[in-house]
Amino acid sequence: QSVLTQPPSVSGAPGQRVTISCTGSSSNIGAVYDVHWYQQLPGTAPKLLIYSYNNRPSGVPDRFSGSKSGTSASLAINGLQAEDEADYYCQSYDSSLSGSVFGGGTKLTVL
Amino acid sequence: EVQLVQSGAEVKKPGESLKISCKGSGYRFTSYWIGWVRQMPGKGLEWMGLIYPGDSDSRYSPSFQGQVNISADKSISTAYLQWTSLKASDTAMYYCARGRSGLGSSGNYYYYMDVWGKGTTVTVSS
Repeated sequence: QSVLTQPPSVSGAPGQRVTISCTGSSSNIGAVYDVHWYQQLPGTAPKLLIYSYNNRPSGVPDRFSGSKSGTSASLAINGLQAEDEADYYCQSYDSSLSGSVFGGGTKLTVL
Repeated sequence: EVQLVQSGAEVKKPGESLKISCKGSGYRFTSYWIGWVRQMPGKGLEWMGLIYPGDSDSRYSPSFQGQVNISADKSISTAYLQWTSLKASDTAMYYCARGRSGLGSSGNYYYYMDVWGKGTTVTVSS
């Protein structure tokens, strides 16, 4: 059971917009800790996608964006493309565990 | 180019010891955290712990405290993850990743991993 809760799967057709939620608590997202998102393409290492809620590293398309509301965060992908099919993970810090935590991951399927 | 190069795949028997490595290059190794992440077959990412090579300050997830040891040799820009007695349940892919941490402009604390190694597969089987 992950400290951060994500839906196991989401799907969308090419060109559509999908969102992935990440629900935490007052000891992580709801506190003073930023949320970050990673993309893991099949058979590869994770890659940083969004850091500190809505910042993109160089090279990440602006189709990807993040947001936060209360004890939850969300990743939005606009203009879905076939190459976006991957697993997505949120990550934050948890004060009760005194360490970093990941969400359980969400598998995105492009129909 | 900033990169982390991890050691090769390992096949071990239960009870054996193991030390895998992660060598950084292209940046000041002593100025960034190195974190370790486990991914069991078909499962999600689990944060294990991290080390600051500059002073060897290390922290562990409660789930991994006492199960593994994280160390670093800054003279050769290399971090390590070590087991003294492997179990079959240690079978997984292990990633190292460069960590960035601090206080943002909003006053929030951040810690994220911006550069990842390709991973080391560890298989423990009798």
